[in-house]
Amino acid sequence: GAVVSQHPSRVICKSGTSVKIECRSLDFQATTMFWYRQFPKQSLMLMATSNEGSKATYEQGVEKDKFLINHASLTLSTLTVTSAHPEDSSFYICGTWTPNEKLFFGSGTQLSVL
Amino acid sequence: GENVEQHPSTLSVQEGDSAVIKCTYSDSASNYFPWYKQELGKRPQLIIDIRSNVGEKKDQRIAVTLNKTAKHFSLHITETQPEDSAVYFCAATDQAGTALIFGKGTTLSVSS
Repeated sequence: GAVVSQHPSRVICKSGTSVKIECRSLDFQATTMFWYRQFPKQSLMLMATSNEGSKATYEQGVEKDKFLINHASLTLSTLTVTSAHPEDSSFYICGTWTPNEKLFFGSGTQLSVL
Repeated sequence: GENVEQHPSTLSVQEGDSAVIKCTYSDSASNYFPWYKQELGKRPQLIIDIRSNVGEKKDQRIAVTLNKTAKHFSLHITETQPEDSAVYFCAATDQAGTALIFGKGTTLSVSS
């Protein structure tokens, strides 16, 4: 069964608004959560690594002020897309290492910015 | 940083045939190599993985081989079925050994 719960699964918003995506680890503590973005028919691109209790680490080219990451507890990490624009429309997915050392992904969030 | 190359980008086979997807990686320190299957609009699902201390691993119709010297690993699917049709991604751990870096994916189509 799922070990990572991601919400919402789909969101449509107007340009300029902010959208928050949540990922929760179920039944275990996730000190690290990875956030990926996937454009249609493309691969998963690592955006950032979120660590509980400290600042997230962003990959080159990812704007930290636009993609705000918070990992305030051992079971919850959030990604907020601020001032979203149509080019931010994408499939956002979180992932974390399980206790048996497998990277498990959330169900993903399809973001559409009008 | 780590770079993962995956080939082919598309693969079409007849039901019952075998399918092979190959990946190469750049960082010799990488030590974990999973394969994921992704269906449209869904999360990638781990189908098999291998760590650097073994050269081959098999799980029913799926096998993975690893050549650390050459820095490449391959996915082998035997007796393919239409339900094997999906996008397959290989991955390798990044320089820090924490995140996964993915190949560009292979769209496998199995026709009956």
